[in-house]
Amino acid sequence: QVYLVQSGGEVKKPGASVKVSCKSSSYTFLSDSFTWVRQAPGQGLEWMGSVNPYSDDTHYAQKFQGRLTLTTVTSTNTAYMELERLQFDDTAIYYCARGGGLNGLDPWGQGTLVTVSS
Amino acid sequence: QSALTQPASVSGSPGQAVTISCSATNSDVGGSDSVSWYQQHPGKVPKLIIFDVSSRPSGVSNRFSGSRSGDTASLTISGLQTVDEADYYCCSYTRTNTVLFGGGTKLTVL
Repeated sequence: QVYLVQSGGEVKKPGASVKVSCKSSSYTFLSDSFTWVRQAPGQGLEWMGSVNPYSDDTHYAQKFQGRLTLTTVTSTNTAYMELERLQFDDTAIYYCARGGGLNGLDPWGQGTLVTVSS
Repeated sequence: QSALTQPASVSGSPGQAVTISCSATNSDVGGSDSVSWYQQHPGKVPKLIIFDVSSRPSGVSNRFSGSRSGDTASLTISGLQTVDEADYYCCSYTRTNTVLFGGGTKLTVL
């Protein structure tokens, strides 16, 4: 069974950046894609983007273009999500999930709460 | 505004069946074979319950089933149980290599 373990919660000021990690226990890390999804308080799921560790191919939601960077480090089986120029409405739980969306996202990490506060 | 439209809420009594619809309003999504559904209990992590329109991951109850007709996908939960009370999200992979989620449906078991 594959597990995804994310880094801990963060509190950031407006304008700052945050980088969240997602470590996979999968031995097929290179053949998996990883997707990032966020959920604002009381709101639904929002797709942010996906990354393929083998090809470094990335796809981003248009609203995050220019301030979202998804990367992977294959030596540590870890995916990263970096979001820049944080605003108050970026306060959300950020999830990583295995898969690029073609055949479902499974499993999911435990989520990382990012709070943007002055 | 999501290109996948779900009812905000549905309800049913224990033992009954309920169906949650997910309608595509974007041509990039309509007719997609890459529709998945997620169950999320309050304060918990989303869980994949249906992928590829109608396939169930190992360990997911066969009370959950998925289907699609044209541009509308559906999730049916039969033999409703109180444990099924949760939020449900549809999801589709698009022709432009992006992913869309529906707005979510809150299921109440009366």
